[in-house]
Amino acid sequence: GAGVSQTPSNKVTEKGKYVELRCDPISGHTALYWYRQSLGQGPEFLIYFQGTGAADDSGLPNDRFFAVRPEGSVSTLKIQRTERGDSAVYLCASSLTFGGLNTGELFFGEGSRLTVL
Amino acid sequence: AQSVTQPDIHITVSEGASLELRCNYSYGATPYLFWYVQSPGQGLQLLLKYFSGDTLVQGIKGFEAEFKRSQSSFNLRKPSVHWSDAAEYFCAVGLNNNDMRFGAGTRLTVKP
Repeated sequence: GAGVSQTPSNKVTEKGKYVELRCDPISGHTALYWYRQSLGQGPEFLIYFQGTGAADDSGLPNDRFFAVRPEGSVSTLKIQRTERGDSAVYLCASSLTFGGLNTGELFFGEGSRLTVL
Repeated sequence: AQSVTQPDIHITVSEGASLELRCNYSYGATPYLFWYVQSPGQGLQLLLKYFSGDTLVQGIKGFEAEFKRSQSSFNLRKPSVHWSDAAEYFCAVGLNNNDMRFGAGTRLTVKP
């Protein structure tokens, strides 16, 4: 597609369940980022990939969160044993270059809204 | 501590009036600086960026921003606001190739 695609757009789950959020970046973009945005806050960095490898996962809050990008394109953010505090909008972004800073432009998807009851 | 601060949570301006959104950062070195806009139901979109050189940068949709090193600021401006500018605006800093940090955002309401 023309832009970054994220699915599902909305996900409601129960506390303790497992959740997967998918991101399909712009074709050819080598860098992929995951952010989390809580109500009234700016996006919070979680992890970014350069190709297939996680170049920086320092933003993942704990070991319940994990992300993969096995073929260097689509990425999946996985959350185990969800907690109510995980409720947020999860944003994915992609860019052409390593870190995106040569162009300074991250292309964001519309996000996946996760609600944990 | 390193931070990006947007002091104004919510701003209301009349259509046609000028606009200035404030952004301050606290980092050891001059970071790369960005402004993004988030409209309802849409993803974040880059308005403009500053890497080096001319401290007044022009962006899309008639926006501009000025980097002031002495004030550690990167304020966003527009001379005449349109109703379609109503959105959430985020200042962001790029620290290195690994990290982009965002402020908490400023919500802009435009009165007719």
